[in-house]
Amino acid sequence: ETGVTQTPRHLVMGMTNKKSLKCEQHLGHNAMYWYKQSAKKPLELMFVYNFKEQTENNSVPSRFSPECPNSSHLFLHLHTLQPEDSALYLCASSPGGGSYEQYFGPGTRLTVT
Amino acid sequence: EDQVTQSPEALRLQEGESSSLNCSYTVSGLRGLFWYRQDPGKGPEFLFTLYSAGEEKEKERLKATLTKKESFLHITAPKPEDSATYLCAVQASYGGSQGNLIFGKGTKLSVKP
Repeated sequence: ETGVTQTPRHLVMGMTNKKSLKCEQHLGHNAMYWYKQSAKKPLELMFVYNFKEQTENNSVPSRFSPECPNSSHLFLHLHTLQPEDSALYLCASSPGGGSYEQYFGPGTRLTVT
Repeated sequence: EDQVTQSPEALRLQEGESSSLNCSYTVSGLRGLFWYRQDPGKGPEFLFTLYSAGEEKEKERLKATLTKKESFLHITAPKPEDSATYLCAVQASYGGSQGNLIFGKGTKLSVKP
């Protein structure tokens, strides 16, 4: 595996379900990010982790719960979601320090029914 | 407030017809401006980083330029495979969104053979 991988690629869940999204980066980076991408809207930053520590929570509802066990893995735990949470969820990583480019995974297309 | 505006929202070109995409920004001290390409159903792919006014970068048929208020992505003699949504993002040096990427809504480019 190379770059940033995400699983699953597609997910359909009911509003009462609990599911998790997984992200893994194979780039040796120190920072990881979750974004939400909805139609006709800019990418919305949700969470930022630097060296496994959460440094940003962009006013995200508590039904989204991130977890970062190490610098290579990032999870997004989902529970009691709403239909408006349907979107493409993107994970990204960056080297940190003086390099600021972020590299994205392919995303998970989430549909909440 | 830091923000990014991209224009046009959509652009249709004939193969070989050169054009430019615009990214206007307001930011609390520019740390970097980033261009990404995103294909349908995929994550954004990093193209360029620009750090200071007057800087230019090229990759194949793409050339990115930067001034103090905006960036242009010039596409020379485009091909159908250049069809994608092009995203612009800025990173602030200070302020509430310091260090985070702020994205525009993107320009959807279609190149017809």
